[in-house]
Amino acid sequence: GQNIDQPTEMTATEGAIVQINCTYQTSGFNGLFWYQQHAGEAPTFLSYNVLDGLEEKGRFSSFLSRSKGYSYLLLKELQMKDSASYLCAVRVQGGKLIFGQGTELSVKP
Amino acid sequence: GAVVSQHPSRVICKSGTSVKIECRSLDFQATTMFWYRQFPKQSLMLMATSNEGSKATYEQGVEKDKFLINHASLTLSTLTVTSAHPEDSSFYICSARRLAGGSSYNEQFFGPGTRLTVL
Repeated sequence: GQNIDQPTEMTATEGAIVQINCTYQTSGFNGLFWYQQHAGEAPTFLSYNVLDGLEEKGRFSSFLSRSKGYSYLLLKELQMKDSASYLCAVRVQGGKLIFGQGTELSVKP
Repeated sequence: GAVVSQHPSRVICKSGTSVKIECRSLDFQATTMFWYRQFPKQSLMLMATSNEGSKATYEQGVEKDKFLINHASLTLSTLTVTSAHPEDSSFYICSARRLAGGSSYNEQFFGPGTRLTVL
């Protein structure tokens, strides 16, 4: 079966750093994606990892450990506009994306 | 580039009617389109994979006779919710995978979604 776990919700303070974890057990693996989704809108691409290690892109970084079935998304210098749902997704056979349940992040002033 | 549109963005219908949702890749050709459903406060659930010119592949638990998918061209896929009922009310999102020339990672582009409300 396919199983992707992430915390349901998190709260952080403006200007701080937050780490959103994702663990997965899937039949097949062809990359892990992180998306940001605001309510009522489509997901927008944030990052992609297929090899172990850290990928950095501005205020956002994503880490992958394939042996541990583990990834995290790191958001630095949090802004109010970062309040959104963050989705971890694993790409499996046929290009299909299997999504976790999403982590609702609330950034407080 | 890599824009995907959906139409309509919002639809309200009576129970028992059928609703068609269109997904278009505006500036690229898509070999494959995916249809997702998202209930409030939940994540995206893949419903089916649609390949141009062939029958769609449905995920387990998704009724193919209720959710009809047609992928008639490399830029258009349609999802028809037949005999809609209130429990079908949801946010339906499509994504399109580029035919060629796309990056190896960000190759799936999402539409803006369609909010379906069945009364």
